[in-house]
Amino acid sequence: GAGVSQSPSNKVTEKGKDVELRCDPISGHTALYWYRQRLGQGLEFLIYFQGNSAPDKSGLPSDRFSAERTGGSVSTLTIQRTQQEDSAVYLCASSSSSGGGTDTQYFGPGTRLTVL
Amino acid sequence: GNSVTQMEGPVTLSEEAFLTINCTYTATGYPSLFWYVQYPGEGLQLLLKATKADDKGSNKGFEATYRKETTSFHLEKGSVQVSDSAVYFCALSSSGANSKLTFGKGITLSVRP
Repeated sequence: GAGVSQSPSNKVTEKGKDVELRCDPISGHTALYWYRQRLGQGLEFLIYFQGNSAPDKSGLPSDRFSAERTGGSVSTLTIQRTQQEDSAVYLCASSSSSGGGTDTQYFGPGTRLTVL
Repeated sequence: GNSVTQMEGPVTLSEEAFLTINCTYTATGYPSLFWYVQYPGEGLQLLLKATKADDKGSNKGFEATYRKETTSFHLEKGSVQVSDSAVYFCALSSSGANSKLTFGKGITLSVRP
């Protein structure tokens, strides 16, 4: 079956503009994660959705970042008033896990965001 | 909080050389440990994992053993190939409900013919 898909693959924007990044998880996966990978760094956790539960937003770096997941499937990460330090690759992952930490997360190809 | 430390890179090896990539971690409870790999132009994919102490994960000739006493999960391969050239990330996942991954910074491996 299809893997995790993300769009757009690349996004160039000007400082101060808003951007929306989309993630389509593997069908049937209840858990969805957003991570950020800045140049030369490991991946940083941003937000976690599990089914219909309230999301874990503990990794969001500022209130300019928000995310939603509609109908338990597609997710959108929104960055308002983008700053140059937001430039990174944004990765989405999904898993069939309901918790416990042992399940594999499957990653999408990422969206490379460049803020000029 | 949780953290993962990987050895500094990049690493360049000749084909058929032995590979070790060190990874140590700090975590509360009983985390699961993972190695993810990112081949050039491709997305991040799971290489292997271990979910409890003394477990050995293995895949594609790579192995890593979950060592609780030394809080380590070093990646090894006896004979690397050019096709193993990639970026390797060590990661852990807590046993709590969130299951988010905490990653090391990654290390770039280049294997020359």
